[in-house]
Amino acid sequence: DAGVIQSPRHEVTEMGQEVTLRCKPISGHDYLFWYRQTMMRGLELLIYFNNNVPIDDSGMPEDRFSAKMPNASFSTLKIQPSEPRDSAVYFCASSLVDTHGYTFGSGTRLTVV
Amino acid sequence: KQEVTQIPAALSVPEGENLVLNCSFTDSAIYNLQWFRQDPGKGLTSLLLIQSSQREQTSGRLNASLDKSSGRSTLYIAASQPGDSATYLCAVRLEDSNYQLIWGAGTKLIIKP
Repeated sequence: DAGVIQSPRHEVTEMGQEVTLRCKPISGHDYLFWYRQTMMRGLELLIYFNNNVPIDDSGMPEDRFSAKMPNASFSTLKIQPSEPRDSAVYFCASSLVDTHGYTFGSGTRLTVV
Repeated sequence: KQEVTQIPAALSVPEGENLVLNCSFTDSAIYNLQWFRQDPGKGLTSLLLIQSSQREQTSGRLNASLDKSSGRSTLYIAASQPGDSATYLCAVRLEDSNYQLIWGAGTKLIIKP
């Protein structure tokens, strides 16, 4: 298995632009998580899905953030409009049922200038 | 509220030494605990997952223990190598239905050749 695949690896955008981050979870995993990591705040859970359904989005910082999972093999995290304080590394992770741990993707490093 | 603490924040040891990283948590009602490593600019790699009913897990030179009653987990690394240099994070999943992980801030480990 190729693991959790995220794209792009790096994204530099101007303030106010729309940013879309993509994630392909491990096939068969039924949970998908979006995390954000910064030096100041460490890892923060933004939202997670179970069987493509959003379960908890209480970590999404503002209405500018939205996430979708149209099918079991694809999810997006969108920021519109982006702001400099959104600069961070965004990770996607997936997991299978309850007994397995998380598998993380390599992350997307977002820089908003 | 569950809090996860990792001490020390940083550790530097000569190559070949055995070492122990510590993780403590305030609420013993955990579902499982997972150890990850993160290399600079990279994603998180799962090392070991310990279910709440287990006492330890081993993988190669790594051994993780769990003592729920005292709220502690340790990650033992035998015969350390420069390639072990990374930040090590522990994360606990709570017993309730919420799938969220509570993260420690990590221990930055440097193995000197």
